[in-house]
Amino acid sequence: DAEITQSPRHKITETGRQVTLACHQTWNHNNMFWYRQDLGHGLRLIHYSYGVHDTNKGEVSDGYSVSRSNTEDLPLTLESAASSQTSVYFCASSESFSGRVGELFFGEGSRLTVL
Amino acid sequence: AQSVAQPEDQVNVAEGNPLTVKCTYSVSGNPYLFWYVQYPNRGLQFLLKYITGDNLVKGSYGFEAEFNKSQTSFHLKKPSALVSDSALYFCAVRDIGPGGYQKVTFGIGTKLQVIP
Repeated sequence: DAEITQSPRHKITETGRQVTLACHQTWNHNNMFWYRQDLGHGLRLIHYSYGVHDTNKGEVSDGYSVSRSNTEDLPLTLESAASSQTSVYFCASSESFSGRVGELFFGEGSRLTVL
Repeated sequence: AQSVAQPEDQVNVAEGNPLTVKCTYSVSGNPYLFWYVQYPNRGLQFLLKYITGDNLVKGSYGFEAEFNKSQTSFHLKKPSALVSDSALYFCAVRDIGPGGYQKVTFGIGTKLQVIP
């Protein structure tokens, strides 16, 4: 069965370190997204991509970067981790919006703690 | 920008009773609205969507949602709640970002607690 997987599921790091969260989907979806989930804020969009070599900033993109070198993967990098980036991160993918608009498939999440 | 609001942090309902989780929206143009569910320590799962057509939309696990244009609402409903329905529910809306890119914007979520 097709799926979307995130790794690591749990990560503890120190302030200032670079961290990369991996996201891999086997749905063959063009669209991929990274969200962070925080109490009182729901899910907020960090970055998104609509195809290979395409990346776009979401509402909370400062301190994060992504790259899309193939259809399956959209790694999220924290260049210099800050305590404010302690959160649960979710990757999602979807078909083209001309089809099943808004139907996102989510990974299980990556819990990041920055000390 | 398009947005949704979920006015209740938590909804408690007795098992077997009908449940409603509220959502209001603010959009320009025709709204594309969605509901998602999140079980503990899991990712979100798509439940249902409204794009056009009938105001009552049916989705997964016996859930349905009623679109009301005059009240700008899209409330999630189920006739008879199960304990297993206890989860976090998110309302969401399609938004158009810079460059015309479409994306999905979520509300802050409502925790549903079904009491045995």
